[in-house]
Amino acid sequence: EAGVAQSPRYKIIEKRQSVAFWCNPISGHATLYWYQQILGQGPKLLIQFQNNGVVDDSQLPKDRFSAERLKGVDSTLKIQPAKLEDSAVYLCASSPSRDYGYTFGSGTRLTVV
Amino acid sequence: SQQGEEDPQALSIQEGENATMNCSYKTSINNLQWYRQNSGRGLVHLILIRSNEREKHSGRLRVTLDTSKKSSSLLITASRAADTASYFCATALGLELTLTGGGNKLTFGTGTQLKVEL
Repeated sequence: EAGVAQSPRYKIIEKRQSVAFWCNPISGHATLYWYQQILGQGPKLLIQFQNNGVVDDSQLPKDRFSAERLKGVDSTLKIQPAKLEDSAVYLCASSPSRDYGYTFGSGTRLTVV
Repeated sequence: SQQGEEDPQALSIQEGENATMNCSYKTSINNLQWYRQNSGRGLVHLILIRSNEREKHSGRLRVTLDTSKKSSSLLITASRAADTASYFCATALGLELTLTGGGNKLTFGTGTQLKVEL
């Protein structure tokens, strides 16, 4: 079974620039999650999709962050404009249903300078 | 906000010893999960324990859950250098989805950094 694919692996941008991350979940997994992990902390949920609908985006800073999941498969997370405090690892995960663990991608490490 | 708090924050042991990490949480849960994260990598799911279960085993891992105390523990027996990683507990709050029964929303703790020395 192929894992969760994420790209790019690393990204360095200047503040106020925009950036986009891509995620391809495991085939057949209905639920997709984006997490933000700041160095030394646990992951924090940004947004949860069920198929192509948003289930929870309560912690997504909507003034600068946006996300979509086209056709209920791939997903993109965008930041525009980026701030220094957005420097973090952005993790994508998918899960088939309740009572199953998540499968995480390797993450995208974003550095905003 | 972080739901779980792991204890200790850091743990250093010798290879062959057992490692115990604890997790406390604040609200009722549907299930609790443990994940491992090697430096610079994504998280790997280790084990899931449901709210009506008290103990679960997987290889060298043993997880206990005490819902009355809102706490869980992860025991790694006969540790190896390869077990060096950060370990996170995560709680699922039983979010009821009205669509096709999707996954839980997990809230992660702050993690325990385990170092196993040769």
